[in-house]
Amino acid sequence: EDQVTQSPEALRLQEGESSSLNCSYTVSGLRGLFWYRQDPGKGPEFLFTLYSAGEEKEKERLKATLTKKESFLHITAPKPEDSATYLCAVQVKGSWGKLQFGAGTQVVVTP
Amino acid sequence: DTAVSQTPKYLVTQMGNDKSIKCEQNLGHDTMYWYKQDSKKFLKIMFSYNNKELIINETVPNRFSPKSPDKAHLNLHINSLELGDSAVYFCASSLSGADTGELFFGEGSRLTVL
Repeated sequence: EDQVTQSPEALRLQEGESSSLNCSYTVSGLRGLFWYRQDPGKGPEFLFTLYSAGEEKEKERLKATLTKKESFLHITAPKPEDSATYLCAVQVKGSWGKLQFGAGTQVVVTP
Repeated sequence: DTAVSQTPKYLVTQMGNDKSIKCEQNLGHDTMYWYKQDSKKFLKIMFSYNNKELIINETVPNRFSPKSPDKAHLNLHINSLELGDSAVYFCASSLSGADTGELFFGEGSRLTVL
């Protein structure tokens, strides 16, 4: 059975304190892995797509990396506005249009 | 101008009632989705339509019936509501098949069944 597991469930950071979120996956064949950000009371907002092991994507203070078993979302020198729940999702080969999401990591960045 | 808009934002209703949620997208996408986010924050796909054709129909009770009158609209009707239906329902849209993984979500409709 395909599975997506995110850790930790919650993360509290001081402003400027860099950290990493983990998304491990067990799927029959990975088509793509995606990161989203969700603010309270809002819908998820797309961040990155990763297709193959070794690939990296960057956007401001966020950097996503992918291996054959997991992905990391690195937050460098976070600011309070980076506080959100970060969701990881996978698309399995052959599953047209279907994204399978993890439970998310809730990140709180304090000044 | 909101890209994916869904109404209502909040629904509070009694068990056994029927309710509908409407969704519209102005992005010109051909694929629309309904996702359910439960209290544990898991986001699970329910349905997907591509150009008004049902493509994904996950294991969802028959009480849930989606309808897509055109490719810009996707509605969700729920019959005989149960306590376990309480959740946030998100509508989303994408270009065909979400090959890039980029879905555009609405702000969600929080359904509370009493």
